[in-house]
Amino acid sequence: KAGVTQTPRYLIKTRGQQVTLSCSPISGHRSVSWYQQTPGQGLQFLFEYFSETQRNKGNFPGRFSGRQFSNSRSEMNVSTLELGDSALYLCASSSTGGWTEAFFGQGTRLTVV
Amino acid sequence: GENVEQHPSTLSVQEGDSAVIKCTYSDSASNYFPWYKQELGKGPQLIIDIRSNVGEKKDQRIAVTLNKTAKHFSLHITETQPEDSAVYFCAASKGGGADGLTFGKGTHLIIQP
Repeated sequence: KAGVTQTPRYLIKTRGQQVTLSCSPISGHRSVSWYQQTPGQGLQFLFEYFSETQRNKGNFPGRFSGRQFSNSRSEMNVSTLELGDSALYLCASSSTGGWTEAFFGQGTRLTVV
Repeated sequence: GENVEQHPSTLSVQEGDSAVIKCTYSDSASNYFPWYKQELGKGPQLIIDIRSNVGEKKDQRIAVTLNKTAKHFSLHITETQPEDSAVYFCAASKGGGADGLTFGKGTHLIIQP
């Protein structure tokens, strides 16, 4: 069974630009969550999608948004990039979300210059 | 919201010895507690989890204990091996899709040969 696939693995963007990251969950999993990982703040929850609906949202500004498609693939978008958005963005999939096992992808390393 | 404290931040043990990492959580409504291992350049890997209706769970050399009254849980690794060297994260969740995972800041486990 294929794991969680995130693309691209690395991105370099300029301040003010926008970026879209992609996540393909494990086959059969309907929940996709996104996390930001930085050395200072650690792993922080961004949002969760389940059956194309955003079910939960963390404490991030509206510049961070996402969506989920009917095949459970998810995209995350960050608009008006700031230097502080440089981070590893991780996607996790689970069968139902919540307290069922969540499996992470390798992440997308975003660098904002 | 939930707050998870993790100690120590760095732990160095001799190969073959045991390692213990401790976490405390603040929200008594949390009921799901996974542990993740993250190696350099990779996403977090789920290694073991425990739900609030269980006090202890073991999987080969790894065990997790949960004390709901004191709101703390611990990871125990016995007979440590070089491949156990990584960063370990504890997390807590209220489950049922109510929110995402709240992570501790991580423990860098170093296995000395």
